[in-house]
Amino acid sequence: EVQLVESGGGLVEPGGSLRLSCVASGINMRNFGMSWVRQAPGKGLEWVSDITNGGETIYYADSVKGRFTVSSDSAKNSLYVDMKSLRAEDTAVYYCATLALSEVARFDHWGQGTLLIVSS
Amino acid sequence: DVQMTQDPSTLSASVGDRVTITCRASQFISLHLNWYQQRPGKAPKLLISGINSLQTGVPPRFSGSGSGIDFTLTISGLQPEDFASYYCQQSFLYPRTFGQGTKVEIK
Repeated sequence: EVQLVESGGGLVEPGGSLRLSCVASGINMRNFGMSWVRQAPGKGLEWVSDITNGGETIYYADSVKGRFTVSSDSAKNSLYVDMKSLRAEDTAVYYCATLALSEVARFDHWGQGTLLIVSS
Repeated sequence: DVQMTQDPSTLSASVGDRVTITCRASQFISLHLNWYQQRPGKAPKLLISGINSLQTGVPPRFSGSGSGIDFTLTISGLQPEDFASYYCQQSFLYPRTFGQGTKVEIK
């Protein structure tokens, strides 16, 4: 069974930094693409970033480009997002998800999410 | 960016009803269309990929159809556990984009 567990969320002041983590079990992250998707309180889903298996290619939404850096550690089977210059509009639940790339790319397994609040 | 527009935003229905949610893309996305279900307070769950491929374990009352730019999610015989929000999502082009969501409420 695939399990994804996010952590690292919390309250950060505007302009601050934070790292979110996602630990995977039941899969070898070397063989999977991974993604971050976020959801502001009471709002819809917003794609944030994809990292292909092996971390060779990383894509970002324009809203986070230059401020967020996604990485993975295959030895720890973990995915990370380093966030800086945080803004109020970054407040959201952040989900990590596996990214299946066969045929049609899709987010096929999701973690439970971790909440980031950016506020003074 | 490819804009995904769902209709309706909210839908009131009763157990046993057949409900249809539509999703329109702002440009051609071929078959790169997925549907997700999100129950309150829970993570999204992939229901259907590639327009009409039901994921393992998803009940057959869920079905997807469409092509090009217009797509539909149908629930035939709504069950209590189906009251949730539903999102379409395109993977044809970056950035990946979601519809704004459709909330299915109890009438």
